[in-house]
Amino acid sequence: AQSVTQPDIHITVSEGASLELRCNYSYGATPYLFWYVQSPGQGLQLLLKYFSGDTLVQGIKGFEAEFKRSQSSFNLRKPSVHWSDAAEYFCAVGRAGGGNKLTFGTGTQLKVEL
Amino acid sequence: KAGVTQTPRYLIKTRGQQVTLSCSPISGHRSVSWYQQTPGQGLQFLFEYFSETQRNKGNFPGRFSGRQFSNSRSEMNVSTLELGDSALYLCASRDLGQGNTEAFFGQGTRLTVV
Repeated sequence: AQSVTQPDIHITVSEGASLELRCNYSYGATPYLFWYVQSPGQGLQLLLKYFSGDTLVQGIKGFEAEFKRSQSSFNLRKPSVHWSDAAEYFCAVGRAGGGNKLTFGTGTQLKVEL
Repeated sequence: KAGVTQTPRYLIKTRGQQVTLSCSPISGHRSVSWYQQTPGQGLQFLFEYFSETQRNKGNFPGRFSGRQFSNSRSEMNVSTLELGDSALYLCASRDLGQGNTEAFFGQGTRLTVV
């Protein structure tokens, strides 16, 4: 069965500092990997996705993530955090070849100190 | 294009009642999935519909059901509501006819069972 682990429940960073959110997945086949962001009471907005090819993917709002198959990881990074980045971040894995079922991690709540 | 639309946004029901939630996918998207989000269990997959057929189902009791109409709009129904059904219910749509694509989420329906 597929699973996603986000080991950090809460992270606090200062505005302007760099950010890395960790994500490890367990999946028996070729995974599709995603990072979503959620503001309070809102739906999920896609930050970036990995299907295949270049293992470093760029997303919106200056975020990037690197797929490392050997480590089963898909960590999210941003070089300089803005106060508006405070939100909850979810890593998700999906099945290659179709289907719309995603398995999500438990999320990382990001707080940004001014 | 309009995004995924979920109605209503907020709902308060009494234990034992039933409820129906609606989801209109992005125009042209034929795959619709539903997720339940709670503080304790996180984001959990309920079911997926494609072309009016249920393709996948999560580990939820039979009180949770859904359907999809010929215009791809989807409804989910929860019967005999329990306090534990209080959650944010999210709908996602995806264009499976275009190769590798991501899921787009609606704003969700916040269900409170009292």
